[in-house]
Amino acid sequence: GQNIDQPTEMTATEGAIVQINCTYQTSGFNGLFWYQQHAGEAPTFLSYNVLDGLEEKGRFSSFLSRSKGYSYLLLKELQMKDSASYLCAPVSPTPGGSYIPTFGRGTSLIVHP
Amino acid sequence: DTEVTQTPKHLVMGMTNKKSLKCEQHMGHRAMYWYKQKAKKPPELMFVYSYEKLSINESVPSRFSPECPNSSLLNLHLHALQPEDSALYLCASSQEQEGDGNGYTFGSGTRLTVV
Repeated sequence: GQNIDQPTEMTATEGAIVQINCTYQTSGFNGLFWYQQHAGEAPTFLSYNVLDGLEEKGRFSSFLSRSKGYSYLLLKELQMKDSASYLCAPVSPTPGGSYIPTFGRGTSLIVHP
Repeated sequence: DTEVTQTPKHLVMGMTNKKSLKCEQHMGHRAMYWYKQKAKKPPELMFVYSYEKLSINESVPSRFSPECPNSSLLNLHLHALQPEDSALYLCASSQEQEGDGNGYTFGSGTRLTVV
């Protein structure tokens, strides 16, 4: 099974930087996804980390430490449109041996002026 | 075409009705997925098809019946649903079942209400 923990809600100011943490415990591991989901919409892919370290993609960066079971998503130069839920999804094996991501409950980020 | 298209966007059905949700992608992805998402909860995996064959069924009740007619289409047949089945049903696809650095592409979902 999996145990995924991320904060329920965070608030930040437009133009600021925010870090959303995710810790996980999985039996087997094959990478971790971050997705963004606006209310009532489909999740959209942000990043995928399979090795330790920082992956940077524009205003968004994602970090992974496999030994610590820890990842974070860093959002810079926050914009109002970044208000959304951010889902951490580590990939681990199913009983049948397939690797499938399991989504955390998501962190609702509220960006205010 | 880089989208996953789901129809209908909204569906209201009675507990004795039979309906189907449809999903289509033309990205050449060989894995397709059905997820169920309740309000303020994460998406929960229901079924996975890989190369048009059912590879994962997450112990979903038989009132949900998936079908993959071809590599571009995925259906979810609904029969005798309960009000607690009301949720957003998301379809997704990926290049291969194991996924890669490009992640899954999700459709915009069907919001289902069972009355």
